[in-house]
Amino acid sequence: NAGVTQTPKFQVLKTGQSMTLQCAQDMNHEYMSWYRQDPGMGLRLIHYSVGAGITDQGEVPNGYNVSRSTTEDFPLRLLSAAPSQTSVYFCASSYSGGGAYYNEQFFGPGTRLTVL
Amino acid sequence: DAKTTQPPSMDCAEGRAANLPCNHSTISGNEYVYWYRQIHSQGPQYIIHGLKNNETNEMASLIITEDRKSSTLILPHATLRDTAVYYCIVQETSGSRLTFGEGTQLTVNP
Repeated sequence: NAGVTQTPKFQVLKTGQSMTLQCAQDMNHEYMSWYRQDPGMGLRLIHYSVGAGITDQGEVPNGYNVSRSTTEDFPLRLLSAAPSQTSVYFCASSYSGGGAYYNEQFFGPGTRLTVL
Repeated sequence: DAKTTQPPSMDCAEGRAANLPCNHSTISGNEYVYWYRQIHSQGPQYIIHGLKNNETNEMASLIITEDRKSSTLILPHATLRDTAVYYCIVQETSGSRLTFGEGTQLTVNP
């Protein structure tokens, strides 16, 4: 299994540009999430999905859109990039089954985004 | 989800045990204690979790106090590769919304 993959690894945008960060997993996980991590800080939840067709907002959703048309993919869209969105973005997935074991989250390698 | 408190940084000598504390005094009965770590610039990695019993796996041991208000992650023989930020997270079993604090930066010294 490739696990959780993210593309691109690095991206530089100009203010106002839009783009989509890609996330895919091949573990048949129902739960998928997007986090951002600013320098020296912990991760903050942007959006999450409990299954195909179902998404919800996390702690910092403004400026981002998500959709979940398949179990495998969970893209994150920046609608109009701003310098405040300069960050490292991590995608994660986990099982949805019962019991604490199934809530182990698997993280991707991250996308490093700079907005000028 | 309950809030956790961790020291911002700790040092440990290579080969010695690293004991990382976490306070979670407002933990509720259905919340588990999870530990993740993040090695520089990489995605976080799951280490271990527990409810009220002590747990051990190939990576670490987790000791939870009887009142469940605090816990300790133990890396029995720390190596240089264990240098990372360690996050203690309290979460219900349902859902996948991890709430990360700022964690503890563990530095293992040769």
